[in-house]
Order: sequence, then structure tokens, then C-alpha cells
Amino acid sequence: LAKTTQPISMDSYEGQEVNITCSHNNIATNDYITWYQQFPSQGPRFIIQGYKTKVTNEVASLFIPADRKSSTLSLPRVSLSDTAVYYCLVGGTSGTYKYIFGTGTRLKVLA
Amino acid sequence: DAGITQSPRYKITETGRQVTLMCHQTWSHSYMFWYRQDLGHGLRLIYYSAAADITDKGEVPDGYVVSRSKTENFPLTLESATRSQTSVYFCASINRGTGGRPTNTGELFFGEGSRLTVL
Repeated sequence: LAKTTQPISMDSYEGQEVNITCSHNNIATNDYITWYQQFPSQGPRFIIQGYKTKVTNEVASLFIPADRKSSTLSLPRVSLSDTAVYYCLVGGTSGTYKYIFGTGTRLKVLA
Repeated sequence: DAGITQSPRYKITETGRQVTLMCHQTWSHSYMFWYRQDLGHGLRLIYYSAAADITDKGEVPDGYVVSRSKTENFPLTLESATRSQTSVYFCASINRGTGGRPTNTGELFFGEGSRLTVL
């Protein structure tokens, strides 16, 4: 199982780009990397998923280097409503479906 | 409505009592999961299930029992609740992709959570 490591917390200001990096040194060959966002008192919700290189959707970008041992979630021009906990999750196709979340990164966006 | 629902949303019980938290999903997803989240902390996997009648332990299974007689339901039972089990419990599901493994889209769908307080 690929263990993930993220910064515990980050602060940013409205309008800035925020990059959150996740380390997953023992990622398996077929594992995908998925990022979730969680607001207080809610379940996590899917943001973005990727396997390698760069993936972009309407809310975020995901950068994955060639060795896939880390990934970076990029949130462009954050707003106060982006204040949440962000989790990266690795796995899903390597023979196990035992999804273990890491500690997550608590992002606080300041006005 | 389609989706994943948990009940009850809030529960207060006493030490030693049995409590069952229900999880129901309408997508016929193969995989289902139970997580607990203590105040200010991350999600910890309690149990998971690949299909009806197939369950396995997660990170913190002690004190919990699960069953999955039907694909759509995945109840979690605390046979004798303890104060340390006070937490928010989240159920999640994901569909099976090719080869019997979770789909590569990797999107876990979570319920709204069940907040349990054990006095």
C-alpha cells in the first residue's frame, strides 16, 4: 500500500495560486493518484485524478513527475470557499482496494 | 434519490450499548467502505467490502462488526460502544472496473456522515 505524506497545513491569500504536494514513494505501477477536498461536517469529495504528467479540469490541475513518487495539486486563484482539508489518495488498481487516507493538508485562505 | 445515504445522522448512546450505523447506496457499486474521523483528524479505514458477503479489515477494525448481505447495504455495528468510539463515521462506495478491481476513475463517493457520541 502506498503511504502518502502531505504538509499538515498551509495558509494562502485570496487570488493566489496554491500548490499542495503529496509524497508517495512506494506507489505501485498501476496506481492512480486522486485528490479529495473535505469541508467541515461533510464527506470528502473528488477533485481530480491522474496517472502521470499533467491533468487539468475546471477546478484544479494535477502535476505528476515521471517517477510518480510525488504529485502536486494546484488550485488557481483560491477564494475563501477553498478553505478545506485536501487529501491525496493512491491506489485502486494494484490489486488492493484498501483505500488508506493520509493526514491531509488543511488549507486556510485568508482575505 | 440516487446516491449514498447514512442513518442515523446523529446518535447519542451510552457505554456498553450496541449501535448500528446504516449505509445504503443506490448505484450498485461493488466496493463499500467505512471510515471514522475523530475531531480535527483524518479519515481512518475501519472495514471495507468488495461485494456482497466479502468484507475485510481496515486500519482500525477492533470493536466493530460489518456485514454485507446485499450489495446496496453495508451496516456497521459497534457491539459494545466505548467512549473512544465517539467520532464521525463516513461510508463510501466505488464501482468495480475491469478485472474485478475498482474503476480507474477512482472516485470514492461519500455519505454525509453519522456523528456518534458515546457517553
